[in-house]
Amino acid sequence: ETLLTQSPVTLSVSPGDRATLSCRARPSISHNLAWYQQKPGQAPRLLIFGASTRATGIPARFSGSGSGTEFTLTISSLQSEDFAIYYCQQYNTWPLTFGGGTKVEIK
Amino acid sequence: QLRLQESGPGLVKPSETVSLTCTVSGGSIRSTSYYWGWIRQPPGKGLEWIGNIYYNGNTYYNPSLESRVTISIDTSRSQFSLKLRSETVADTAVYFCAALQGTTVTFHHWGQGALVTVSS
Repeated sequence: ETLLTQSPVTLSVSPGDRATLSCRARPSISHNLAWYQQKPGQAPRLLIFGASTRATGIPARFSGSGSGTEFTLTISSLQSEDFAIYYCQQYNTWPLTFGGGTKVEIK
Repeated sequence: QLRLQESGPGLVKPSETVSLTCTVSGGSIRSTSYYWGWIRQPPGKGLEWIGNIYYNGNTYYNPSLESRVTISIDTSRSQFSLKLRSETVADTAVYFCAALQGTTVTFHHWGQGALVTVSS
């Protein structure tokens, strides 16, 4: 089973600032990584797949990078609606696995 | 735009079966572009993939749950279903159904989720 470790667990950021979230994979997963955003009481929403491709309708302030074992989700200028929990998910091998999540909160 | 909606009992006793159905609209459940999947999330915790089914009935299960899980599909009703033999209160969770895009196996469309509480 592929293990995904997200850091930090909580990230405190001021509106308008940049947020950088990390996801580490063991073993390597090439580019087969997605990112999701989840707000309280809602289902997750797909943001990024293929490590760096934005899903339909996702604003350009969200960007993904990385390959192999190290991945990053960057939110260039945090808006009020971006405060949420973010999960990474790998689809390189079965079973599909998720990281433990990073909560982005208002500083 | 695909829409998915979970339905089923919200309260189950330990050793009974969690039974949920997901109804798909706005697109065809026979599409070769999607897998149909289930994910769960215990209260305050992260996401756990349960399993997927393809339109032809092929299934893929999480090994950690495989001995207790059955996913089936009824294309005539545009529905797929989850049966999970519950063991303990640890199976209490919000259960989501989702459409996974076939080539990337990522969860592109989600239902709103259904809370199932396992309690005696």
